[in-house]
Amino acid sequence: DVQMTQSPSSLSASVGDRVTITCRASQTINIYLNWYQQKPGRAPKLLIYAASSLQSGVPSRFSGSGSGTDFTLTVSSLQPEDFATYFCQQSYILPRTFGQGTNVEIK
Amino acid sequence: QVQLQESGPGLVKPSQTLSLTCTVSGDSISSGSYYWSWIRQPAGKGLEWIGRIYTSGSTSYNPSLKSRVTISIDTSKNHFSLSLSSVTAADTAIYYCARDRTNGFDYWGQGTLVTVSS
Repeated sequence: DVQMTQSPSSLSASVGDRVTITCRASQTINIYLNWYQQKPGRAPKLLIYAASSLQSGVPSRFSGSGSGTDFTLTVSSLQPEDFATYFCQQSYILPRTFGQGTNVEIK
Repeated sequence: QVQLQESGPGLVKPSQTLSLTCTVSGDSISSGSYYWSWIRQPAGKGLEWIGRIYTSGSTSYNPSLKSRVTISIDTSKNHFSLSLSSVTAADTAIYYCARDRTNGFDYWGQGTLVTVSS
């Protein structure tokens, strides 16, 4: 299985901050990397697909980059509704695997 | 608007079989455009992909669960189902169904909590 490792596991930030989350794959996955946001009691929501493509309806302050094994999710200016847990997921090979999550908390 | 809704028992006894159904609205699961997946999440933990099915009935399963999992599809009812046998407390989780477009799971059900306990 492809292991997905996110860092950090959690972070504290303020409204307006620029936030970056990293995801590393245990083998190359080309650009087959997706990012999700999950709020408590809710299902995950697709934010970014194919490493850098913004899912329809997702604010442009979210962006993704990377290829191969190293990827990043950036929120350019954190908003109150962005405090949540973020997961990366590879869609290069079966079984699909997810990172362990990054919890973004209010400082 | 595409919507997915999980249904099934919220409590299953150890060693028994967990059975859930995902009913899809706003899209036809027989269209052939997507796969349809099951994903689970133990409380406070990460996400685990269980497996998926295509409209043809072709399935793929996570090797970690393959010996206990069956996913089936009923195009006439526009739903697909999950069966997980010989459950233990480790199978206690929120179970989600999702539309799998290969580049991500773009629509999810709200999730259903299944507890394994006697």
